[in-house]
Amino acid sequence: EAQVTQNPRYLITVTGKKLTVTCSQNMNHEYMSWYRQDPGLGLRQIYYSMNVEVTDKGDVPEGYKVSRKEKRNFPLILESPSPNQTSLYFCASRGNSSPLHFGNGTRLTVT
Amino acid sequence: AQSVTQLDSHVSVSEGTPVLLRCNYSSSYSPSLFWYVQHPNKGLQLLLKYTSAATLVKGINGFEAEFKKSETSFHLTKPSAHMSDAAEYFCVVSEPTGNQFYFGTGTSLTVIP
Repeated sequence: EAQVTQNPRYLITVTGKKLTVTCSQNMNHEYMSWYRQDPGLGLRQIYYSMNVEVTDKGDVPEGYKVSRKEKRNFPLILESPSPNQTSLYFCASRGNSSPLHFGNGTRLTVT
Repeated sequence: AQSVTQLDSHVSVSEGTPVLLRCNYSSSYSPSLFWYVQHPNKGLQLLLKYTSAATLVKGINGFEAEFKKSETSFHLTKPSAHMSDAAEYFCVVSEPTGNQFYFGTGTSLTVIP
């Protein structure tokens, strides 16, 4: 089944403790991206990647890092999480001229 | 610059009555426009997309949307609401390269039995 898989689904952590949220897709898509969803703000793009080793900032990249060493994986890294990064995070991918396919989300709480 | 405005944060309809979810966009280019639906604790699912072909776009589950360039609108409609339509709906615009996507703030649809 074609899908985007994020892990974990839920994560509670403390301020300053580095964490990684994984994202993997099995559709051989070149494009992948990360979003955060906050009440009243919709989804905002954090980073995107057009291909292996090619990444670019979205609208809200501060406090986040990404890497794209392989086509299927696009992890989101929070080096020093802060409470304002408490949010619902979505990974998405797409092929050429196709719409975004989303994962089921990761709910992150930073205390 | 691209942006999307969803004019209603909440819409409530009775089962079997029409649904109208409003979306206006701003784009410096000829845009690609999408509607996505999000059910509780789920990811976003594509309902339909407009990419400069027919201005009336039909999607899944009986939804459709009409692209009106003169009004910069892309409203989502459905003739008859079903209980399973209760969800959050997002209007989305992307710039021509398709690398950056801009989401509206969402419209929560409630369907009353």
